[in-house]
Amino acid sequence: SQQGEEDPQALSIQEGENATMNCSYKTSINNLQWYRQNSGRGLVHLILIRSNEREKHSGRLRVTLDTSKKSSSLLITASRAADTASYFCATRDPGAGSYQLTFGKGTKLSVIP
Amino acid sequence: EAGVTQFPSHSVIEKGQTVTLRCDPISGHDNLYWYRRVMGKEIKFLLHFVKESKQDESGMPNNRFLAERTGGTYSTLKVQPAELEDSGVYFCASSPGGDSPLHFGNGTRLTVT
Repeated sequence: SQQGEEDPQALSIQEGENATMNCSYKTSINNLQWYRQNSGRGLVHLILIRSNEREKHSGRLRVTLDTSKKSSSLLITASRAADTASYFCATRDPGAGSYQLTFGKGTKLSVIP
Repeated sequence: EAGVTQFPSHSVIEKGQTVTLRCDPISGHDNLYWYRRVMGKEIKFLLHFVKESKQDESGMPNNRFLAERTGGTYSTLKVQPAELEDSGVYFCASSPGGDSPLHFGNGTRLTVT
């Protein structure tokens, strides 16, 4: 699998339901970040979780990190139509020469009103 | 605070022509990044500036790509001569540094025909 690979590739849910997206990566990391991209727009940073953290919350977002399994999940609770977007995880490799992020292909979330 | 702006938003050129993309980062952000997403693939790192210096250009695909950041403010990415496989969306991002999240522009969609 690719570094920062999201699963599923596409997800369609009803408004009010919870959405869970998963991300797997291959190398050791400093941190893992989740970004959202609305169609035709740039990526917007949602949340950062460091390698020594296991869970983090921000509003309706909950992120978990399991470094032993090299995986992370993003949970969006009580989804809204406005949450429709593509979601990407991105990792920073501590061995990388600069602060470059490695992105996955993303999960396309559709929230049906 | 103005966000990261990119110009143009779209560019359609013929193979062999030259195109220059511009990015204006958030004022005060020393770190500027270029990323690219080719259709159906991951968002890939191209290069990283700290002020006017290239910190990491390991992601630049070949010598047809030239990035500059004269004076440490805006940056340009020139593709000369363009090839069909250069088509994609080119994103610019900036950050103050460290583990600060990246702020992305809306991207330039480049189509080479």
